[in-house]
Amino acid sequence: NAGVTQTPKFQVLKTGQSMTLQCAQDMNHEYMSWYRQDPGMGLRLIHYSVGAGITDQGEVPNGYNVSRSTTEDFPLRLLSAAPSQTSVYFCASFRVPRGEQYFGPGTRLTVT
Amino acid sequence: AQKITQTQPGMFVQEKEAVTLDCTYDTSDQSYGLFWYKQPSSGEMIFLIYQGSYDEQNATEGRYSLNFQKARKSANLVISASQLGDSAMYFCAMREGVGSNFGNEKLTFGTGTRLTIIP
Repeated sequence: NAGVTQTPKFQVLKTGQSMTLQCAQDMNHEYMSWYRQDPGMGLRLIHYSVGAGITDQGEVPNGYNVSRSTTEDFPLRLLSAAPSQTSVYFCASFRVPRGEQYFGPGTRLTVT
Repeated sequence: AQKITQTQPGMFVQEKEAVTLDCTYDTSDQSYGLFWYKQPSSGEMIFLIYQGSYDEQNATEGRYSLNFQKARKSANLVISASQLGDSAMYFCAMREGVGSNFGNEKLTFGTGTRLTIIP
């Protein structure tokens, strides 16, 4: 039981490049979410999904796309990377009603 | 207004002492959940403890307990008998609409408290 896995662990992009951060979970959780963590700001929600085929925007969605074709996978796409997207990205999955989120190990992204 | 406020950016505590990390929250919902997460220097986010707004007892998980004062809207984390491995960032978070399958799916995080345990 691997929990929530994320790849890659580290990534450097040039401004304007696109890429996909991968996230997978094996806990059969319906709900998944993406957060970014910036110094001094805690974690902020980018997008979330309440089940396969259903996604919605969080607090900071601009510049990111998501899709959810299976229960297990929830990739995050950066369409045209900008230096403001330099951050640590966490994927999480959870089950209602309590909703404690189980986080992946994170991806540290630097955009130059 | 901030939904989650953690007023202690950093704390230093002697090993084996108890420590209280402060968290206040702001919501107009009657049904909500409060969470504490630990983030060690390795970077992963570790779930510690949960308190539901309708729970009558304060939550406890091993050395962790949550001092929930609903009228004051505070949810302080208490770590008893601190250990060197407790040195980490600690985040308080809230989910509103708990108890509903279609509640607010967003966890709102505070800015964290960096706890350092001194040997």
